[in-house]
Amino acid sequence: DADVTQTPRNRITKTGKRIMLECSQTKGHDRMYWYRQDPGLGLQLIYYSFDVKDINKGEISDGYSVSRQAQAKFSLSLESAIPNQTALYFCATSDLTDTGELFFGEGSRLTVL
Amino acid sequence: GQNIDQPTEMTATEGAIVQINCTYQTSGFNGLFWYQQHAGEAPTFLSYNVLDGLEEKGRFSSFLSRSKGYSYLLLKELQMKDSASYLCASMDSNYQLIWGAGTKLIIKP
Repeated sequence: DADVTQTPRNRITKTGKRIMLECSQTKGHDRMYWYRQDPGLGLQLIYYSFDVKDINKGEISDGYSVSRQAQAKFSLSLESAIPNQTALYFCATSDLTDTGELFFGEGSRLTVL
Repeated sequence: GQNIDQPTEMTATEGAIVQINCTYQTSGFNGLFWYQQHAGEAPTFLSYNVLDGLEEKGRFSSFLSRSKGYSYLLLKELQMKDSASYLCASMDSNYQLIWGAGTKLIIKP
């Protein structure tokens, strides 16, 4: 089983719908991240959390919100999806006591029509 | 500002050697990462450099020059499975990663 699990893996939805992407991890890491990846662009940080009570905006947080329900769970929500939010979304974890290496989930491909 | 530059695409031949360059400008510096990403899959960690010099790990090596803001990833004895995108990322003073757009490496027989 994957250490970092994302659900759903693929989702097609319509403009204006609310969407939640979920992430759970078994690595015991405190730090969790949500990234977005578009073709030809680098990974862009949406939100990150250093522990259950800590939530921070990344470089492209507008239109997104997150919830850190437990150390192992970090969810990303699109309150009202729009077509330019069509992208591949990755959850990742890290442990700062190590090198800071990120461990990624398998990705969630979201299409907004 | 913060910036990572790497070539968009490179082509190499199976069995050969290829060097993928990366230049970075970040506020503070806490290390340089290389990740491999096959199409449609998650990035996977290849290497981490925080001190100047060459780190060798099997067929892959990574080099860092902090004074020049420069790194490269060297892949030897190329195999078809090495066809992927290679992502360079610099960790800034807040321990956040600044990502390059990735270099798509195409391996030809």
